[in-house]
Amino acid sequence: GAVVSQHPSWVICKSGTSVKIECRSLDFQATTMFWYRQFPKQSLMLMATSNEGSKATYEQGVEKDKFLINHASLTLSTLTVTSAHPEDSSFYICSARAVEGRGSTDTQYFGPGTRLTVL
Amino acid sequence: EDKVVQSPLSLVVHEGDTVTLNCSYEVTNFRSLLWYKQEKKAPTFLFMLTSSGIEKKSGRLSSILDKKELFSILNITATQTGDSAVYLCAVKETSGSRLTFGEGTQLTVNP
Repeated sequence: GAVVSQHPSWVICKSGTSVKIECRSLDFQATTMFWYRQFPKQSLMLMATSNEGSKATYEQGVEKDKFLINHASLTLSTLTVTSAHPEDSSFYICSARAVEGRGSTDTQYFGPGTRLTVL
Repeated sequence: EDKVVQSPLSLVVHEGDTVTLNCSYEVTNFRSLLWYKQEKKAPTFLFMLTSSGIEKKSGRLSSILDKKELFSILNITATQTGDSAVYLCAVKETSGSRLTFGEGTQLTVNP
């Protein structure tokens, strides 16, 4: 099946620093990648939709200047949490949607997630 | 606003029991409903349902969709401790590709 990787799997940083999280589709090309945030005992909340070669579309309430998304190629999207604060501590998960012809285009394949802790 | 509601929110059973998890939804232009299993990390895909009344089956897991009543169920028979996880239901609309997730059902299977 399709594999999506994330790096790093966990990160601890000081308040005020920026953290970059990478999401890669390893064996397929993804025109669209999604970034989710999940707080403990809560469901996944979509933060933004990232399309290769264009600007990301952010969900209501998500600050685009704080959560910078870059989707530079069909296999890589990055999320940078700028000037992180303790309230940004969460589990960040990306998913990738395959291009036409590689499995079902309705299926999103999830990465293993990145646990961010901001001290 | 799209809405996906799962029930129960948590469930504790013994090994060997059969469980039924529910997912109801309200979306403007429904396209498909997906079930995921989430253990400690990110969700893993279980089923995608687009048509009413057609059961999807994978081992001890099965799922069916009712587009008239706007709900889906996920059945797990002969549960095992390895089935303990959060089961997430998500709905996709015809426009765009975003998924709207329910709150999840935390299933605990005790030996």
